[in-house]
Formats: sequence, C-alpha cells, structure tokens
Amino acid sequence: AQTVTQSQPEMSVQEAETVTLSCTYDTSESDYYLFWYKQPPSRQMILVIRQEAYKQQNATENRFSVNFQKAAKSFSLKISDSQLGDAAMYFCALGDDMRFGAGTRLTVKP
Amino acid sequence: NAGVTQTPKFRVLKTGQSMTLLCAQDMNHEYMYWYRQDPGMGLRLIHYSVGEGTTAKGEVPDGYNVSRLKKQNFLLGLESAAPSQTSVYFCASSYLGRSNYGYTFGSGTRLTVV
Repeated sequence: AQTVTQSQPEMSVQEAETVTLSCTYDTSESDYYLFWYKQPPSRQMILVIRQEAYKQQNATENRFSVNFQKAAKSFSLKISDSQLGDAAMYFCALGDDMRFGAGTRLTVKP
Repeated sequence: NAGVTQTPKFRVLKTGQSMTLLCAQDMNHEYMYWYRQDPGMGLRLIHYSVGEGTTAKGEVPDGYNVSRLKKQNFLLGLESAAPSQTSVYFCASSYLGRSNYGYTFGSGTRLTVV
C-alpha cells in the first residue's frame, strides 16, 4: 500500500524568508508522480508543483521548488521569498492512487 | 472557465436523512473522484470513475454510493447519513490517467450531520 507522511503539522516563516516543508512516502512502484497542493482558507485545492519519479532533476515553479530524493523516498517543498499569500495548508500527494498526506499548515508572519 | 463545480457548498443533515452531492466538470475529463477531508487526515478517496458508466471503490467507500450516467457529472449519495460522515467533500477530475497531470478540484461541500 502507498503511504504519505507529513511530519510537520504546523510551520511558520517570516515574510521574505525561505521555508521547507517535509514529505516522505512509501511505494513499491518504480515510476510514479508526486505533487504538492496548496489549500488556502478559500478551501480550493491548487496544484503547486509536480515531480515525475524517473526525472532526477528537481521540479521548479517560480518561488517553489522540490528536493526529490528517490532512494530516501523524500519529497520536500521549498518556498523562497515567502509571501503573505503563501499562508495555507500544504498537502503532499503520491500517484497513481493520489494518496494525500495529513497536511502542514503554513503561517507567514509579516 | 468553470472547471469543476460542486453543489451544494454547505448542507446540514439530520441523522438518517439522505442527500446527493453533484459534481460537474466542463473539461471533457475521463476520470472523476470523490474525496473527503477530515482534520489531521488529509484527503481520502471515497469512490472514483474512469469513464461514463463506470465507478469503483476507493479507500473509504462505506456509507456512500456514486453514479456516472453522463461523462460530465459524478454524483455522490448518502443513503442514511451518520454523524461520522460530517466532513468536507471534494470532487476532482483528471484527463490523462489517474494522476499524471494532477487533478482539478472543486471548491468543496461542507456537510454537517447532526
């Protein structure tokens, strides 16, 4: 069975600083996809970034980047130059079954 | 762009009542899903569909039924609501496979069963 673990229920960061959210997972598949979703107070789930397991290069989307360690089954999200609008719940997800972690609530302090 | 639309957005039910949640997508997606979100547990898959006329069980299917009579619609039914079904329900859809390009989510339905 696939599992996803987010060990940080809450994190906080100062505006303009960098924060890293952790995610570990377990799967028996060799080829799979990993995702980070953002859920602001509006409740809408927004895809932040996507990583294909067979690609060794870490995915990057503007201020968001991942550190993908396939052997360690680790998939962390780094947010650079944090902004107030980044405050949200962040979920790590593993496909094909799209298993979600429990989430990390990120607070951004002005 | 409508994307994925869920109705209703909020609902309060009494124990034992029934209701249907509607999910509609206008992106011609083949795959549709129903999740529930509970505090500290992330999103858990209830049922999913890989095309019109098909449905399959997810991780937590008990107490729910689904139907996909039209490609654009995916209905989630609660036949006899229980307090344990108090949750936020999300519908999602995807085009190429179950997760290759991520999912498009609706804005959720907050259901309270009293």
